[in-house]
Amino acid sequence: GAVVSQHPSRVICKSGTSVKIECRSLDFQATTMFWYRQFPKQSLMLMATSNEGSKATYEQGVEKDKFLINHASLTLSTLTVTSAHPEDSSFYICSARDREGGTQYFGPGTRLTVL
Amino acid sequence: AQSVTQLGSHVSVSEGALVLLRCNYSSSVPPYLFWYVQYPNQGLQLLLKYTSAATLVKGINGFEAEFKKSETSFHLTKPSAHMSDAAEYFCAVRISGPGNQFYFGTGTSLTVIP
Repeated sequence: GAVVSQHPSRVICKSGTSVKIECRSLDFQATTMFWYRQFPKQSLMLMATSNEGSKATYEQGVEKDKFLINHASLTLSTLTVTSAHPEDSSFYICSARDREGGTQYFGPGTRLTVL
Repeated sequence: AQSVTQLGSHVSVSEGALVLLRCNYSSSVPPYLFWYVQYPNQGLQLLLKYTSAATLVKGINGFEAEFKKSETSFHLTKPSAHMSDAAEYFCAVRISGPGNQFYFGTGTSLTVIP
């Protein structure tokens, strides 16, 4: 099946620094990618929808200036957590929608820990 | 509006016993329904999906789910639990449209007792 990768899988950073997470569709083109965050023992919450070549659409309550999303190509979207704080520590998961068939595939997730 | 409700945040079954994880949805349009499994510190793995074809959907690892429109349910079952089935399970609904977004339930943690 189609594969979506995320890099890094784990990252630990100091408070106040910025962290970039990459989401790649490895064997298909994705015009749309989605970013989710998941707190421990909780479900996934959609943060934003990322469309190739245009600005991301953020869900209510998600700070667009804090969570910068760039979808520069049909196979890559990046999420940058700016000026990270401990409360941003979470599991971030992306999904990519196959341009051809419309199926969404989820990445393996990135565990962010902010000290 | 779309939403998903999973009854029971924790379910425990004995090895070899029936697994039943409940999911009810609400949707203003015919939904696509999914079950995902998540192992610790890993992403989501698709178990099965309903896309308006057969109401009984068979997935991987022996799981299946039945779409019941009259009950707005999409419960996940497996006849005989295996130790490796212990994980977190998420039910999700997706609607077609520009956003094509998923709406996830709160998850059910399945414990299998030897």
